[in-house]
Amino acid sequence: QQPVQSPQAVILREGEDAVINCSSSKALYSVHWYRQKHGEAPVFLMILLKGGEQKGHDKISASFNEKKQQSSLYLTASQLSYSGTYFCGTESSGNTPLVFGKGTRLSVIA
Amino acid sequence: DSGVTQTPKHLITATGQRVTLRCSPRSGDLSVYWYQQSLDQGLQFLIHYYNGEERAKGNILERFSAQQFPDLHSELNLSSLELGDSALYFCASSVALAGSADTQYFGPGTRLTVL
Repeated sequence: QQPVQSPQAVILREGEDAVINCSSSKALYSVHWYRQKHGEAPVFLMILLKGGEQKGHDKISASFNEKKQQSSLYLTASQLSYSGTYFCGTESSGNTPLVFGKGTRLSVIA
Repeated sequence: DSGVTQTPKHLITATGQRVTLRCSPRSGDLSVYWYQQSLDQGLQFLIHYYNGEERAKGNILERFSAQQFPDLHSELNLSSLELGDSALYFCASSVALAGSADTQYFGPGTRLTVL
């Protein structure tokens, strides 16, 4: 089942923060986050495996609340280079394919 | 550069035709995944192969088929093409099986235009 991402789109000024949420109706084994720039391939950001696990990558971090079947991606002090569409992908336990949400379009303006 | 290669980069063809998209995974990766991305749409999972065997099918039409060869490269065959098949087709590769929380690395994609 496809995870639900919110918001669908967000516009930020440089230096502002944003949170992108990803929720599923199914129990999750892992959550994957990707960023895709227009016309390019999705680029891997991070995987979260355990409930409550938080990972960081420069000024981009994420958390995974296993009980709530939710993950959030945090972008702090946003830069122009953060613009793109962010996808979360979820895996249920077992040999199941990664299912991606519809994406959140993030635009950072000067 | 993810290490995943896809050819061709662009493909323009007519309705009713058949095309083959090719993907070479990263060295050492055994899994290949195919995705379809239509304009402003998310990534729709099509099919997954692991070490030559089909492991999972998603929203793949009967007109589409795929295979993974002994050298681990994969081909996606699209036949009786329709206008609605126009999309970006990505392949991704990973070391392990789906469900193992393994990172998928995406190729640059093939942009298919059906006229």
